[in-house]
Amino acid sequence: NAGVTQTPKFRVLKTGQSMTLLCAQDMNHEYMYWYRQDPGMGLRLIHYSVGEGTTAKGEVPDGYNVSRLKKQNFLLGLESAAPSQTSVYFCASRNSGRHSTDTQYFGPGTRLTVL
Amino acid sequence: GESVGLHLPTLSVQEGDNSIINCAYSNSASDYFIWYKQESGKGPQFIIDIRSNMDKRQGQRVTVLLNKTVKHLSLQIAATQPGDSAVYFCAEARSNDYKLSFGAGTTVTVRA
Repeated sequence: NAGVTQTPKFRVLKTGQSMTLLCAQDMNHEYMYWYRQDPGMGLRLIHYSVGEGTTAKGEVPDGYNVSRLKKQNFLLGLESAAPSQTSVYFCASRNSGRHSTDTQYFGPGTRLTVL
Repeated sequence: GESVGLHLPTLSVQEGDNSIINCAYSNSASDYFIWYKQESGKGPQFIIDIRSNMDKRQGQRVTVLLNKTVKHLSLQIAATQPGDSAVYFCAEARSNDYKLSFGAGTTVTVRA
């Protein structure tokens, strides 16, 4: 049981390049989330998904797109990277159901630098 | 706007002493609160949570206190150890929502 995994761990992009970050979870969780974390700040929600085939915008969605084609995977895409997107990106997942814990479990993060 | 925040950005603690980390929240609709620990280079790790129908919950060496009257949350760590050095975040949510809101974090440094 690997929990939440993220690939890649590190990436350097040039302005205007595109890339996709992959998040995978093996806990059969319904909900998945993408956050970014900037120095000295808490996590800010980019996009999230409440089930396979569904996505929704979070607090800072501009410049990002997501897809949830399979329940276990949540992809975060940058179509045209900008230096402002230099950050550490975290994926999280949690179970569903009113009486289940709301605890989100996080992946190890992807450190992205945009030059 | 409504947000979750921490009172102090840094806390230095002598090894063996107890630590108290504070968090203020302003969204009165929140009914679920979580403390996360984040070590350098890692993702946030769940420590303990509490729902609004409780005012205290204990775990292993940790206690979370919730004061809904003044919208205040605290995390107490007993007998602080070097391995407790990390950034601690509080987060709040509403049960009918799917999202967490995080505070900026408190960096705890344990002195030997």
